[in-house]
Amino acid sequence: DSGVTQTPKHLITATGQRVTLRCSPRSGDLSVYWYQQSLDQGLQFLIHYYNGEERAKGNILERFSAQQFPDLHSELNLSSLELGDSALYFCASSALAGGNEQFFGPGTRLTVL
Amino acid sequence: GQSLEQPSEVTAVEGAIVQINCTYQTSGFYGLSWYQQHDGGAPTFLSYNALDGLEETGRFSSFLSRSDSYGYLLLQELQMKDSASYFCAGSLGNTPLVFGKGTRLSVIA
Repeated sequence: DSGVTQTPKHLITATGQRVTLRCSPRSGDLSVYWYQQSLDQGLQFLIHYYNGEERAKGNILERFSAQQFPDLHSELNLSSLELGDSALYFCASSALAGGNEQFFGPGTRLTVL
Repeated sequence: GQSLEQPSEVTAVEGAIVQINCTYQTSGFYGLSWYQQHDGGAPTFLSYNALDGLEETGRFSSFLSRSDSYGYLLLQELQMKDSASYFCAGSLGNTPLVFGKGTRLSVIA
């Protein structure tokens, strides 16, 4: 158990819908990272927050947004969902902003039908 | 851009030694990390090389040569439970990690 929690574990929804994925980092970790993992892709970095502020953006679509709240939990919002958005979404946390050792949550498997 | 290359698949026999290589095209990576991911599971941190040379942690060792933009993960005394995907990842300091596409290791009896 990494200490990172993600909810929900599974999510099935339809195209065009909007969903919110939730992540609670390890106690004391200030950094939260979001990744997308599809079957044919590795881990694609989406976005990084450090202590409530956005620090870096990766290949995140404009339909996707995220935020980190004062209690350090984070939410990833995915809207106007498409079939291609079906993937595993991981949240990871680290103590520092440039964390090479990241602790991953169990992931949310999103299926868009 | 930044990219890391690693073999897509490796097969090795139980009890043997296997080396998973990782080469990167961006100079200036501050170090190389390795993660393990079992099917259906989350990536788990294995090791981080900040300096050139070999780091040993039990049956796993990791090596980095920044002058060659190259690293590897060495797994000894392979066990069936080592069957998983292994990812190398690099960072330019306070930038997010860039992950390779992963190497799927199959350990056979």
